[in-house]
Amino acid sequence: EIVMTQSPATLSVSPGERATLSCRASQSVSSNLAWYQQKLGQAPRLLIYAASTRATGFPARFSGSGSGTQFTLTISSLQSEDFAVYYCQQYNKWPQTFGQGTKVEIE
Amino acid sequence: EVQLVESGGGLVQPGGSLRLACAASGFTFSTYWMAWVRQSPGRGLEWVANIKQDGSEKYYVDSVKGRFTISRDNAKNSLYLQMDSLTVDDTAVYYCARDNSHVDYWGQGTLVTVSS
Repeated sequence: EIVMTQSPATLSVSPGERATLSCRASQSVSSNLAWYQQKLGQAPRLLIYAASTRATGFPARFSGSGSGTQFTLTISSLQSEDFAVYYCQQYNKWPQTFGQGTKVEIE
Repeated sequence: EVQLVESGGGLVQPGGSLRLACAASGFTFSTYWMAWVRQSPGRGLEWVANIKQDGSEKYYVDSVKGRFTISRDNAKNSLYLQMDSLTVDDTAVYYCARDNSHVDYWGQGTLVTVSS
């Protein structure tokens, strides 16, 4: 199965600052990559799909990029509601697999 | 509004069985693949199984093959997961998910605890 590796495990950021999260696939997944946001006690929520398409309800400060094996999620100016855990997921090959998550916390 | 509501979780002994259900609303259930995804502290997020619109194709992650069965009833807008021969490693929150290859909608989850 394809292994998804996210870095860093924890990212400490001040409100208003930029956050850059990375996701690497063990083999190419083309652009079949999604990002999810999960807040404490809640289900994950789709944030980005097709590597760079923002899901409904998320503002433009969230952006995704990359293809093949290297992907990035950028939050341009962190707001209080953005502090959460973010997961990447490949859906290029069965079984779909998730990364272990990056926790974005307040510095 | 798309809603997915799981039920059926609980505490079960190793070797036991449990049947999860998911009630779907707010979209045309019969036109979507559906899936079960689980989350545990030890295994993270794990795609468990998915099922085609008419139930003719089903796929399972290796760790549950032969023990779990996914099914659906399009007339009742419902998805199911029959879990047999449960082990402690199956302890997790189980999410019902609308499968667009990625998950575009998640249920709130139901907790399954396997313990003696």
